[in-house]
Amino acid sequence: DIQMTQSPSSLSASVGDRVTLTCRASQTIDIYLNWYQQKLGKAPRLLISAASRLQSGVPSRFSGSGSGTDFTLTISNLQPEDFASYYCQQSYTTSYIFGPGTKLEIK
Amino acid sequence: EVQLLESGGGLVQPGGSLTLSCAASGFTFSTYAMTWVRQAPGKGLEWVSTITNSGGHTYYADSVEGRFTISRDNSKNTLYLHMHSLRAEDAAVYYCAKGLGGYGGNCDSWGQGALVAVSS
Repeated sequence: DIQMTQSPSSLSASVGDRVTLTCRASQTIDIYLNWYQQKLGKAPRLLISAASRLQSGVPSRFSGSGSGTDFTLTISNLQPEDFASYYCQQSYTTSYIFGPGTKLEIK
Repeated sequence: EVQLLESGGGLVQPGGSLTLSCAASGFTFSTYAMTWVRQAPGKGLEWVSTITNSGGHTYYADSVEGRFTISRDNSKNTLYLHMHSLRAEDAAVYYCAKGLGGYGGNCDSWGQGALVAVSS
């Protein structure tokens, strides 16, 4: 089975910062990588599919890149509402595993 | 507007059974794959199971294979998760989620979650 890892596990940043979150697959998943945001006590929200396809309604300060095994989610000009947990998920195989997540906290 | 409303959660003893339902509205249910994802208290997201739009194919996480069954009734716009031989580690909030297409476990709309507690 494909394993997903994310780094860092937690990150402190300030409003206005630019941050990059990383997701790695244990084997190639082409571009079949999705990013979700989850705020405390809420359901997840899909931000990006197919590694870089921004979902409707998601601010353009979010961007995704990568292919194969290494992927990044970049958030530019952090806003207060961006402090949340972020999860990647592979959809290359029918075992739709999530990564362990990155918690983005306010510095 | 897409709406997904889970029901059926509750407290069950270890070894017991429970069925979750997810009532869907605001989209053509039979067009999209559907997925269950769970989250144990204080933990990350765990994919549980996905069913294709027609119900012809189902997929399960190793942790629930053989104990859980996903199904759907496209005439009732409803998704189900039948859970058997429940264990303490199955306790979680269970989310129902709509797929981006007819197959695939990536999800663009989510319910509010149903809490399942497993304890004697």
